[in-house]
Amino acid sequence: DVKVTQSSRYLVKRTGEKVFLECVQDMDHENMFWYRQDPGLGLRLIYFSYDVKMKEKGDIPEGYSVSREKKERFSLILESASTNQTSMYLCASSLTDSQPQHFGDGTRLSIL
Amino acid sequence: AQTVTQSQPEMSVQEAETVTLSCTYDTSENNYYLFWYKQPPSRQMILVIRQEAYKQQNATENRFSVNFQKAAKSFSLKISDSQLGDTAMYFCAFMKLQSAGNTPLVFGKGTRLSVIA
Repeated sequence: DVKVTQSSRYLVKRTGEKVFLECVQDMDHENMFWYRQDPGLGLRLIYFSYDVKMKEKGDIPEGYSVSREKKERFSLILESASTNQTSMYLCASSLTDSQPQHFGDGTRLSIL
Repeated sequence: AQTVTQSQPEMSVQEAETVTLSCTYDTSENNYYLFWYKQPPSRQMILVIRQEAYKQQNATENRFSVNFQKAAKSFSLKISDSQLGDTAMYFCAFMKLQSAGNTPLVFGKGTRLSVIA
């Protein structure tokens, strides 16, 4: 079974901090994704990557950056955390473009 | 740009009954996939069912089936013999197919389904 592991289930940070959310997949998947999930808004794509060192902006990239130095790891970075970035963050991966995405458990991030 | 609309924010169903969740989408593409994902409370999002747009036959997975109407751009999910474990948020998602490059999923806003004993 595919395993997508997010480093933290719950995280509390302060405004202005630099925050790193880590995601690791163990199935040699090409594609990796970061979403945020908010009540009533569904899932919105922040960034995705289809190869090492490659990244593409999603629908809401502002205030975020990503890093993919190794195929199995995709990091989401909040450069200077703000309260409006309090949310559930979901990482996903897929083998190829036409394959379903597999999700991690999510990180519930609170910015105080 | 593609959009996915789930018009029912919340639904409930009695255990053992059948329920249908609605999903419509807007696209000018001809080749695409549609998905239903399930997110139980405090648990991981998992794939329920997938439909390729070029297939006329509706996909089924045990108690889960879809009614795919390509011309109407409708993709509803039917859950038969509902079980308490079906209680979850359900997301409809669209993915465009193209010959090269990455095409991320576009999600609807979700339907919260409660199965009542």
